[in-house]
Amino acid sequence: DAKTTQPTSMDCAEGRAANLPCNHSTISGNEYVYWYRQIHSQGPQYIIHGLKNNETNEMASLIITEDRKSSTLILPHATLRDTAVYYCIDLANTGNQFYFGTGTSLTVIP
Amino acid sequence: DGGITQSPKYLFRKEGQNVTLSCEQNLNHDAMYWYRQDPGQGLRLIYYSQIVNDFQKGDIAEGYSVSREKKESFPLTVTSAQKNPTAFYLCASISHDRANVLTFGAGSRLTVL
Repeated sequence: DAKTTQPTSMDCAEGRAANLPCNHSTISGNEYVYWYRQIHSQGPQYIIHGLKNNETNEMASLIITEDRKSSTLILPHATLRDTAVYYCIDLANTGNQFYFGTGTSLTVIP
Repeated sequence: DGGITQSPKYLFRKEGQNVTLSCEQNLNHDAMYWYRQDPGQGLRLIYYSQIVNDFQKGDIAEGYSVSREKKESFPLTVTSAQKNPTAFYLCASISHDRANVLTFGAGSRLTVL
């Protein structure tokens, strides 16, 4: 079973920042936070991951709270192509079972 | 280009027939995974393999079988024992050298008539 909880759906206006929350209520000290997204009928795509510190790459930023019980994926300037289902998972760096929940369906509105 | 190739992309079969879905990777990744996705649902783990000639059941292994005879290949057989096989099947692989980042194939959509 998935270990994270996310809102079922969200809308965001094109050009605005999309902030997608995730609760990691059972995360342990050696578990990383990963974010993926899935565009309809395609394989999921890796976005970003982190352990404690906030992270940024060319796709997004990841904010992890100090207690690590929640994280937020930020798409700084959402485009229509960002419409997808976004999944957060947490996994130990020695882990081997990746559990995906139902994710958040993000719709970017023109 | 390196990646994961799944075939076929679409497959139709009659009820009661076994079906094998192919998954090949040229990424030199160690571990490989099979997931099932139903409409509007998340991904559920069927089987995974950490090394050649070894694999473990995931949450929904009943009615499925796998083999891992080569590092590059991890085929999934959907047997007649799988009661509701119509679904979207995703194969993924991972190199533990790259921070456990999963790479997915494009998926295979199986429809049982």
